[in-house]
Amino acid sequence: SQTIHQWPATLVQPVGSPLSLECTVEGTSNPNLYWYRQAAGRGLQLLFYSVGIGQISSEVPQNLSASRPQDRQFILSSKKLLLSDSGFYLCAWRDGTGDTEAFFGQGTRLTVV
Amino acid sequence: DQQVKQNSPSLSVQEGRISILNCDYTNSMFDYFLWYKKYPAEGPTFLISISSIKDKNEDGRFTVFLNKSAKHLSLHIVPSQPGDSAVYFCAANLGGGADGLTFGKGTHLIIQP
Repeated sequence: SQTIHQWPATLVQPVGSPLSLECTVEGTSNPNLYWYRQAAGRGLQLLFYSVGIGQISSEVPQNLSASRPQDRQFILSSKKLLLSDSGFYLCAWRDGTGDTEAFFGQGTRLTVV
Repeated sequence: DQQVKQNSPSLSVQEGRISILNCDYTNSMFDYFLWYKKYPAEGPTFLISISSIKDKNEDGRFTVFLNKSAKHLSLHIVPSQPGDSAVYFCAANLGGGADGLTFGKGTHLIIQP
């Protein structure tokens, strides 16, 4: 069966510090991978998606970037965090074919102080 | 512009009664719709979905109805149980693409004993 791992679960970082959140998927190959953010009082906002190694599409211009160095690994990064980057970050994967549901990781609560 | 709207931030229902959560969308190109359930500090979990070629899909206590002409869908939970208390997100997908799901802002369902 497929599983998705996301870490860390909680992170407190000072303004201006770098960020690296990692997500890995097991039990499937060539998944579509996604990073979402849930800010307080808001829905799930799509940040980045990837259909293959090295292929990244950005939905919202911002202080963050994403990379996919391996088929089942998706990384969310920032060189310098802003206070507004605080939120709940979720990684998700979908089968690359047809209309299917997305499966989410457990999320990372990021607080920038 | 929000393409998927959940206009009720919260809903309170008595245990054993029916819970009805509503969702409206604006993009007529959406062809696949999903409902997710989310507990605090966890990732959303998939509940039920419906293709645009159908108007109803049922899975146990959960039924999703789709009214394409009104661009409206609803999730019915019957009977409602205490464990159903959570935030419910409506999501929509553009046909065949790798783009991520578009989510509403969620409805917090509270089941009263």
